[in-house]
Amino acid sequence: DTGVSQDPRHKITKRGQNVTFRCDPISEHNRLYWYRQTLGQGPEFLTYFQNEAQLEKSRLLSDRFSAERPKGSFSTLEIQRTEQGDSAMYLCASSLNGLYQETQYFGPGTRLLVL
Amino acid sequence: EDKVVQSPLSLVVHEGDTVTLNCSYEVTNFRSLLWYKQEKKAPTFLFMLTSSGIEKKSGRLSSILDKKELSSILNITATQTGDSAIYLCAVGTPLVFGKGTRLSVIA
Repeated sequence: DTGVSQDPRHKITKRGQNVTFRCDPISEHNRLYWYRQTLGQGPEFLTYFQNEAQLEKSRLLSDRFSAERPKGSFSTLEIQRTEQGDSAMYLCASSLNGLYQETQYFGPGTRLLVL
Repeated sequence: EDKVVQSPLSLVVHEGDTVTLNCSYEVTNFRSLLWYKQEKKAPTFLFMLTSSGIEKKSGRLSSILDKKELSSILNITATQTGDSAIYLCAVGTPLVFGKGTRLSVIA
């Protein structure tokens, strides 16, 4: 399967712990996005990369969140000192940025529960 | 700030009915509007509408973009229980999503 993959699919952690999620995009895609989705809401943008460069971060993104895409392929999203409000589905999407429109394809998501 | 509003937020229909889902948007620099279907997992891509492609159709699903009214509709004809899902509309890069329309199709 050559779609977007994410690992782990589920994560339960205690408040205050650090967690890290991984996303592997579609291989030829140069853009990678992270979103967060809570119940009853659409996905909310967190940050995105073009190749290894982080081009934009949401103003709502806490300093406890950091993302990397060191070689322009897979990406990691780390949340430090987790809080109960961080409980959500974390979605990764990738796209091929060209001259025209780009379609973002989503991975299966990582569901985080902070106790 | 880009904004997307979808209506209705939820809808219950019987199999065979036709439904119309609405999406209105405000975006600084319009390039495209996307529709996604979300079941109990990540969103799956349905359609992209642009200034040069304002109408798309795939099987029982079709979508139209009205750039003048800053809106789009998603039509589903002859609904089936498998159409039950949340339908999301999004614009911009990065994408700004609406809250979605939860469609329930009952037999």
